[in-house]
Amino acid sequence: QVQLVQSGAEVKKPGASVKVSCKASGSTFTSTNYGISWVRQAPGQGLEWMGWIIVYNGNTNYAQKFQGRVTMTTDTSTSTAYMEVGSLRSDDTAVYFCARVVVEGAAPVRADFWGQGTLVTVSS
Amino acid sequence: QTVVTQEPSLTVSPGGTVTLTCASSTGAVTRGYYPNWIQQKPGQTPRPLIYSTSYKHSWTPARFSGSLLGGKAALTLSGVQPEDEAEYYCLLYYGGAPVFGGGTKLTVL
Repeated sequence: QVQLVQSGAEVKKPGASVKVSCKASGSTFTSTNYGISWVRQAPGQGLEWMGWIIVYNGNTNYAQKFQGRVTMTTDTSTSTAYMEVGSLRSDDTAVYFCARVVVEGAAPVRADFWGQGTLVTVSS
Repeated sequence: QTVVTQEPSLTVSPGGTVTLTCASSTGAVTRGYYPNWIQQKPGQTPRPLIYSTSYKHSWTPARFSGSLLGGKAALTLSGVQPEDEAEYYCLLYYGGAPVFGGGTKLTVL
């Protein structure tokens, strides 16, 4: 069974950066078939896709809204994906989820297993 | 900016049938958008139910089915159970850039 375990809650000040981790187990992390997507959910709001990274080649695709402010990386030696968000604002307060995505062709077409979520609170 | 539209809320009686839909601002939804449906209950992690229009994950109950209907993606629940009360999100893939719908809050009453 695939498991994605995310790092714990964070509290950050406006302007700071946060880096959330997502450790995978139970599947071949570097398989050409998989990637990691990051999705966030602000309090009481819907789901918002932020971007994805294809693990075996490092290709990324960020939502236009987050380009320049988000960086997604992986460490294949530890089967861990990371997402860093810079220049945090109060409206970045949200639960951030990672999800394993299945890749067909050069892009993901579905997410199957999800992490438990990481609450990031941005407050002065 | 692409917008994916779902019904904000629906109500269904236990044992009944309900269909949720998902429309794209770019036009008709086709299989090429790989429609996904995801269930989320309050305080819980999102749980994928349907992918590629109509395929079920191994954990998806048989009463859930996906289809294309009138230019939209559709999720049908047949024989609704009280535990199906949740928020349901549609997800469409636009050339590798996924867009979520706003979600449908399904009430079982």
